Amino acid sequence: QSVLTQPPSASGAPGQRVSISCSGSSSNIGKNIVNWFQQFPGTAPKLLIYSNNRRPSGVPDRFSGSKSGTSASLAISGLLSEDDADYYCAAWDDSLNAWLFGGGTRLTVL
Amino acid sequence: QVQLVESGGGLVKPGGSLRLACAASGFRFSDYYMTWIRQAPGKGLEWVSFISTRGTHTDSADSVKGRFTVSRDDTKNLFFLHMDDLRVEDTAVYYCVRSNTNFDYWGQGTLVTVSS
Repeated sequence: QSVLTQPPSASGAPGQRVSISCSGSSSNIGKNIVNWFQQFPGTAPKLLIYSNNRRPSGVPDRFSGSKSGTSASLAISGLLSEDDADYYCAAWDDSLNAWLFGGGTRLTVL
Repeated sequence: QVQLVESGGGLVKPGGSLRLACAASGFRFSDYYMTWIRQAPGKGLEWVSFISTRGTHTDSADSVKGRFTVSRDDTKNLFFLHMDDLRVEDTAVYYCVRSNTNFDYWGQGTLVTVSS
């Protein structure tokens, strides 16, 4: 059981906007930055959002991140079929002295 | 360009040992923390262990503490995970990841299967 909680699934039609939540606590998301990763089946994860809301070079601005209190969100606007993937959040936990990952959210583009 | 290439995975019996290696190129290796992250078949991501620059600080997940050791060779741009007393639940793809505050570059992963 992950200490960072994500919904197991999400879906949206092409062109729509989807949001994926990541819920934590005061010892992780409440104090530290959140990163988001995208993973396609059989491939390594890719950094999508870092430091809560920053995009690495090459990541489209359709992807955005936010954080408030002990929760974070990944938003994807203008959904494309190529966004069909698994998404994970991650944050350092000061109490556990460990990096935590959310359980992952499977996004289906209908 | 940044490249991380893992090697050393394979099939091992419970209680056995294995050493994974990660060859890094395309960046100043000694300037970065390095991390191992694993993914069991059909499951999510799990942080395993990290090592700081110059190897002065390491830390590991409770699930592997006392069994796994991480090290680095900055002269050869290599990063290692030495795994002892392997258990069936250690079966996973192990990823080598460049990491300061982000996990910005990942290797392709190497599969470790622990089975009798």
